[in-house]
Amino acid sequence: SAVISQKPSRDICQRGTSLTIQCQVDSQVTMMFWYRQQPGQSLTLIATANQGSEATYESGFVIDKFPISRPNLTFSTLTVSNMSPEDSSIYLCSVASGFLGLTYEQYFGPGTRLTVT
Amino acid sequence: RKEVEQDPGPFNVPEGATVAFNCTYSNSASQSFFWYRQDCRKEPKLLMSVYSSGNEDGRFTAQLNRASQYISLLIRDSKLSDSATYLCVVNVLMDSSYKLIFGSGTRLLVRP
Repeated sequence: SAVISQKPSRDICQRGTSLTIQCQVDSQVTMMFWYRQQPGQSLTLIATANQGSEATYESGFVIDKFPISRPNLTFSTLTVSNMSPEDSSIYLCSVASGFLGLTYEQYFGPGTRLTVT
Repeated sequence: RKEVEQDPGPFNVPEGATVAFNCTYSNSASQSFFWYRQDCRKEPKLLMSVYSSGNEDGRFTAQLNRASQYISLLIRDSKLSDSATYLCVVNVLMDSSYKLIFGSGTRLLVRP
């Protein structure tokens, strides 16, 4: 499986500010995703990061709040904009190879633990 | 109704015990199925895919029943290191693309 790194691993931010999280993979991957895991909850998909085009957002998540970039097949960023304490969560990048519609397995980065004060 | 439902536990078992987790899913068009393991304050890690014929990996056995929309994970000879949260994950076709839907997890505590 691919080796995935995320930066920063954790941060404490003030409300109203923005944080950009980076995800780097050691090999080219077809698909990259961003998830959120709030305390005591399971994972919720924020968006699919599409290489060279706009990300595909899930219901309840919008580009203005969570802009995403994916300039190539090994790198993506997620920005959490105009943060509020409700954004305190773990943000996880994941990757998958293969084709849509076929069985594929996702692998996760170590996560970024964000606390908004 | 949640798309993927699991008993949250915790399951508290002694070392050496056999324990089974169940999971049900609501979307009959689900294509593939997985069990992930998540340790406290860590990312989820793929434990095993679940195949229609059932599959085994060492002490772990996964079963799928498509008719009942039910997935199970059996852990034999539990080790202390098996203590973790086990996430049932289903690959579902939604809005013309496949997405992973995560259950909320079943917590396992293996005691000495």
